[in-house]
Amino acid sequence: KQEVTQIPAALSVPEGENLVLNCSFTDSAIYNLQWFRQDPGKGLTSLLLIQSSQREQTSGRLNASLDKSSGRSTLYIAASQPGDSATYLCAGSGSRLTFGEGTQLTVNP
Amino acid sequence: NAGVMQNPRHLVRRRGQEARLRCSPMKGHSHVYWYRQLPEEGLKFMVYLQKENIIDESGMPKERFSAEFPKEGPSILRIQQVVRGDSAAYFCASSPRDRGASTTTEAFFGQGTRLTVV
Repeated sequence: KQEVTQIPAALSVPEGENLVLNCSFTDSAIYNLQWFRQDPGKGLTSLLLIQSSQREQTSGRLNASLDKSSGRSTLYIAASQPGDSATYLCAGSGSRLTFGEGTQLTVNP
Repeated sequence: NAGVMQNPRHLVRRRGQEARLRCSPMKGHSHVYWYRQLPEEGLKFMVYLQKENIIDESGMPKERFSAEFPKEGPSILRIQQVVRGDSAAYFCASSPRDRGASTTTEAFFGQGTRLTVV
């Protein structure tokens, strides 16, 4: 059974900082790993999808890495902005996504 | 492409009533997944459906909950005789094929239905 853990649970940083969100999973037999963003009272927005054969994906200021051997993925956000404030979720596995509890990010102006 | 559409966005039901939540997947997507997010908790898988088939319902409560995805029309998550503990946000996601069949398959989520049981 896949279990996903995200650290830290909450993070508050000043605007402009580079930051790293961590995600660990127990079952390395994942097909891919997705990072999502969730704003309060809203749905989930897919940010990045990393295939199991890939090591990283980049989109703008976001970079996600995947290390299946260690069961870890990281989301790197460069030059953070107040608009980045949201909850970030990672999810993996096959047909059914298994989610972590999320990291609640606050970027202060 | 309008994305995954869920309605209603907010639903209030009295204890004992029925709740019907609808999900229209993205155009071209024939795989639908339902998740529940309880207040201050993470998203939990409920059920995975393809057109006219339930593929995996291992996350569904054994009683009062049912789901369908008919040949025509949206997927429906039905909760009978709702109780206060059913109050949550229910999210639907869709993909063009089984996420477990391809490493490139991405799931897209709707805005959710927030159910409040009073």
